[in-house]
Amino acid sequence: EIVLTQSPATLSLSPGERATLSCRASQSVSSYLAWYQQKPGQAPRLLIYDASNRATGIPARFSGSGSGTDFTLTISSLEPEDFAVYYCQQRSNWLFTFGPGTKVDIK
Amino acid sequence: EVQLVESGGGLVKPGGSLRLSCAASGFTFSSYSMNWVRQAPGKGLEWVSSISSSSSYIYYADSVKGRFTISRDNAKNSLYLQMNSLRAEDTAVYYCARSDTAMVDGTFDYWGQGTLVTVSS
Repeated sequence: EIVLTQSPATLSLSPGERATLSCRASQSVSSYLAWYQQKPGQAPRLLIYDASNRATGIPARFSGSGSGTDFTLTISSLEPEDFAVYYCQQRSNWLFTFGPGTKVDIK
Repeated sequence: EVQLVESGGGLVKPGGSLRLSCAASGFTFSSYSMNWVRQAPGKGLEWVSSISSSSSYIYYADSVKGRFTISRDNAKNSLYLQMNSLRAEDTAVYYCARSDTAMVDGTFDYWGQGTLVTVSS
């Protein structure tokens, strides 16, 4: 099983600041990595797929990068609606796994 | 508009069974692979199972293999999860999620709102 580690566990920032979230895989997942956003009481929402492709309707302030074992989700300027939990997820093999999540909260 | 609506959750005793359903609308259901993902209370996301558009390919997480069965009825635009031999650790919100391909590909582009399964005596 490929294990995903996310850091930091919590990121405290103010609106307008830049957020940088990290996801590391226990072995290479090539570019088969996605990012999801989840707000309390809501279902997750796909933000980024295959490491750097924005999903339909996702604002340009969200961007993804990386390949192999190290990946980054960047939110260029936090909007009030961006405070949420973010999960990375790999699809390199048929045992799809998620990271434990990074909570982005208001400083 | 893509809509996925789960149902069938509830309280069940350890060792019991439950069948979840997911009603799909707003897209050609028979052309897309489908998935179940769960989330224990206050915890992260865990992939459970996936099925290709024609049911030819099916995959399970090790934690549910041999106890859960995924299926679909393309004529009824519905996805199912039969859960047997339930354990306390199966307690979670179960989400139905679509993948944007006919084959299982592990990217989940649309999600339902989930249905809560509680396993407790």
